[in-house]
Amino acid sequence: QVQLQESGPGLVKASETLFLTCLVSDYSITSGYYWAWIRQPPGKGLEWIGSIYHTGRTYYSPALKSRVTISVDTSKNQFSLRLTSVIAADSAVYYCARGQQWLPFDYWGQGSQVTVST
Amino acid sequence: QSVLTQPPSVSGAPGQRVLISCTGSYSNIGTVNDAHWYKQIPGAAPKLIIYTKRDRSLGVPDRFSASKSGTSASLAITGLQPEDEGDYYCQSYDTTLNAWVFGGGTRLTVL
Repeated sequence: QVQLQESGPGLVKASETLFLTCLVSDYSITSGYYWAWIRQPPGKGLEWIGSIYHTGRTYYSPALKSRVTISVDTSKNQFSLRLTSVIAADSAVYYCARGQQWLPFDYWGQGSQVTVST
Repeated sequence: QSVLTQPPSVSGAPGQRVLISCTGSYSNIGTVNDAHWYKQIPGAAPKLIIYTKRDRSLGVPDRFSASKSGTSASLAITGLQPEDEGDYYCQSYDTTLNAWVFGGGTRLTVL
C-alpha cells in the first residue's frame, strides 16, 4: 500500500514562500509514475498545481507556473513544493498524490492545511 | 473556471438513480485520455472510485458506473443510499495544456 505524507508549516506570511514536502512510503519514487501537488481552498474544488517525474521532468499549472517549483529527492524518496509570493488566495489544503497522464491519482496524502496570514 | 464542467449539485431519494455529467473538450475527455471519478467527504482526502472508462476501485459497489461519449463523461449511481452523499469530481489529462485537469465538483444530496 503506497503511502504519502505531507509536511510543512501550517502558517505562511503573505508575500513569503510556501514550502511543503511529501514523503512516499512503501513504493520507490524511481519505479515510475508522476508525483503531484493538488490543492483545495476552503469550500472550493480541487486544483492541480504541478507534477514531477523522478528524472526531474515537471509539468506545472499554467495559472501558477510563474510561482511554482516542484523538486524531487530520490535519496529520501520524497518530493517538494515551493510556491513563492503567496497571497490569501493560496490558503488551502495541499495534497500530494501519485498519478500518470493516462491514469488517475490513485494514492493521496491526507492533506496539509496551509493558511496565509495577511 | 474549471476546464471540465460539472453541475454544482444533484439530488435524489434513496433507491433512485442519479447521473453526474462532466463536459470537456477534444483536448481532454475527447482524446484517448479517460475521465476518472473521485468522491470526497468533508475533512477527508478525495478517494478514487472509478478510473479508465469503467474500472471501479476496490470496495466500490457496482451501483457506481461510468461512461464516456465524445467530449463528455458521466457517473451514474443507482439504488442511492445515504452514504453516497458527498462531493464528486471528474478528472482527466489535457493534451493541449499538458496539464491534469479537474471538474469543479458536484455535491450529491440524498433526500
